[in-house]
Amino acid sequence: QITLKESGPTLVKPTQTLTLTCTLSGLSLSTDGVGVGWIRQPPGKALEWLTLIYWNDDKRYSPPLNSRLTITKDSSKNQVVLTMTNMDPADTATYYCAHRRVGSGNGWVYWGQGTLVTVSS
Amino acid sequence: DIQMTQSPSSVSASVGDRVTITCRASQDISSGLAWYLQKPGKAPKVLIDVASRPQSGVPSRFSGSGSGTDFTLTISSLQPEDFGTYYCQQANSFPLTFGGGTKVEIK
Repeated sequence: QITLKESGPTLVKPTQTLTLTCTLSGLSLSTDGVGVGWIRQPPGKALEWLTLIYWNDDKRYSPPLNSRLTITKDSSKNQVVLTMTNMDPADTATYYCAHRRVGSGNGWVYWGQGTLVTVSS
Repeated sequence: DIQMTQSPSSVSASVGDRVTITCRASQDISSGLAWYLQKPGKAPKVLIDVASRPQSGVPSRFSGSGSGTDFTLTISSLQPEDFGTYYCQQANSFPLTFGGGTKVEIK
């Protein structure tokens, strides 16, 4: 059974840096084709893709947020870490980590439960 | 970036009705499209990817079609458990982008 679980703070202050961790079970970050990414959803709004890292350490970022985002992986712990700098109240959202395999057309097949991050002073 | 436009933004239909949701890409994405259903307070669940490939366990009443810029998700006979918000997502090139969503309500 494949599961993903997000962990991290639920409240951050404006200008602070957010760090979220996605822990995978039943799926290895070292396996060919495996990709793990982050997707967020502000309350009542649509989904927004943020970033993705593949098993071979290829990384992709959403252009509007590229300067604020960093994604890394620790294959020994089977974890993916998202860092987002200079947090703003507009970044208040539920943050999901999810898995997709490399390849055009492939969807996000496995998702974490999501974690709500509120940005407020 | 490729923009994804869904229509309608909401639909109210009766059990047994045929429901069609469309998604238009701002440029050719070949068959690089996925469909998701999100229920309130839950993570999205992928229904269809590669435009028409159903995911394991997805009821056969859900089908996807289209290529290039125009895509369709069809629910052949709406069931009570099909309520929620449906999203399309282009998966052909980066940055990956989602449509704005279609809220499906059961009459």
